[in-house]
Amino acid sequence: SQQGEEDPQALSIQEGENATMNCSYKTSINNLQWYRQNSGRGLVHLILIRSNEREKHSGRLRVTLDTSKKSSSLLITASRAADTTSYFCATEGSTLGRLYFGRGTQLTVWP
Amino acid sequence: DGGITQSPKYLFRKEGQNVTLSCEQNLNHDAMYWYRQDPGQGLRLIYYSQIVNDFQKGDIAEGYSVSREKKESFPLTVTSAQKNPTAFYLCASSNGLGGYEQYFGPGTRLTVT
Repeated sequence: SQQGEEDPQALSIQEGENATMNCSYKTSINNLQWYRQNSGRGLVHLILIRSNEREKHSGRLRVTLDTSKKSSSLLITASRAADTTSYFCATEGSTLGRLYFGRGTQLTVWP
Repeated sequence: DGGITQSPKYLFRKEGQNVTLSCEQNLNHDAMYWYRQDPGQGLRLIYYSQIVNDFQKGDIAEGYSVSREKKESFPLTVTSAQKNPTAFYLCASSNGLGGYEQYFGPGTRLTVT
């Protein structure tokens, strides 16, 4: 399967703490993307990291990619209650445009 | 406002009926996608289209059909041949294939009884 797998399935933290989610995959990729599912239930793109990149930042988000271990992590610093939702990783391999989504990590941030 | 619209938000159908889900985008994107999401699951690709009048099957195309007659529209028909059609359906678009983020609509929740 080319599907990514997030770990943990659920994560519960206090506001202000950092949240780390991991994604593992099995085949070679062109890029890996992270999305969150918003309150309207559509997905919102967070970050895209290409296979030749190791780290990217966007605001409070930091994504790392280790292609030798076929894994990525998403770090959300100084979490807020509004960060509570599901986060998904998606990999794009040799078939351009096709994304393979994991099952997601449900993040709960308590005030 | 640029974006993707899906209608309706909730849809109820009787078993054995075909139903068409609407997806429209005004982002001028070439590529469009249909995904299905089941509870506690990730998204699974049903069909995608790179360009008008062209589309490819995804991982779970059986029981579904699509058309792409206009750049901005990519309707999905859930046929009576789909064994378990009750699910949340998400439409997305991107500016191209390969290294582009996908923009998602708000989804349609289909319930078939």
